[in-house]
Amino acid sequence: GAVVSQHPSWVICKSGTSVKIECRSLDFQATTMFWYRQFPKQSLMLMATSNEGSKATYEQGVEKDKFLINHASLTLSTLTVTSAHPEDSSFYICSASSGTNQPQHFGDGTRLSIL
Amino acid sequence: GENVEQHPSTLSVQEGDSAVIKCTYSDSASNYFPWYKQELGKGPQLIIDIRSNVGEKKDQRIAVTLNKTAKHFSLHITETQPEDSAVYFCAEQEYGNKLVFGAGTILRVKS
Repeated sequence: GAVVSQHPSWVICKSGTSVKIECRSLDFQATTMFWYRQFPKQSLMLMATSNEGSKATYEQGVEKDKFLINHASLTLSTLTVTSAHPEDSSFYICSASSGTNQPQHFGDGTRLSIL
Repeated sequence: GENVEQHPSTLSVQEGDSAVIKCTYSDSASNYFPWYKQELGKGPQLIIDIRSNVGEKKDQRIAVTLNKTAKHFSLHITETQPEDSAVYFCAEQEYGNKLVFGAGTILRVKS
């Protein structure tokens, strides 16, 4: 149980394009989803928290107009990196939780490379 | 902000030996402490967790201990196997379900 699917797993695109990443909870309803960014050999850095049907809450220093988050249903959240540039290249990981004080379960991440 | 310190940063053990990773946290209100295993190119996988009303929890070869007074918790892996090699992260849960992660420990199990 508690499977989170993230798609795509790897994307390469040109500078200036927008990239959408999907995060789905396959066997449970995720009232809260989280988006993280991870640089090589580093820990996970929380970017934003999204509750179903509400606007996402962004961490300090994360541009909300750059990283658009939508959590329209209890099983799907999307992260769109708008007008991506090489410095946005990173490993993006989502997680999902079924409620307050419930464990977070992670997807397998999306490797984003901007040329 | 809240902080979680994790030690050691790297750990090499011989197959069959035990491995111990320790974390210290600062927020006395924290009440949930998960451990994640991350393999190369994948997302973190929850391997064990503990809540503040429990001092120890065990699942086969993996155990976690929590000392709320001292604000530290530890992961214990016994009879290590090569497939245990990965990066391990401790975390503590803040308000709103937010997790604060440690810096990670690279565990290498030598066969």
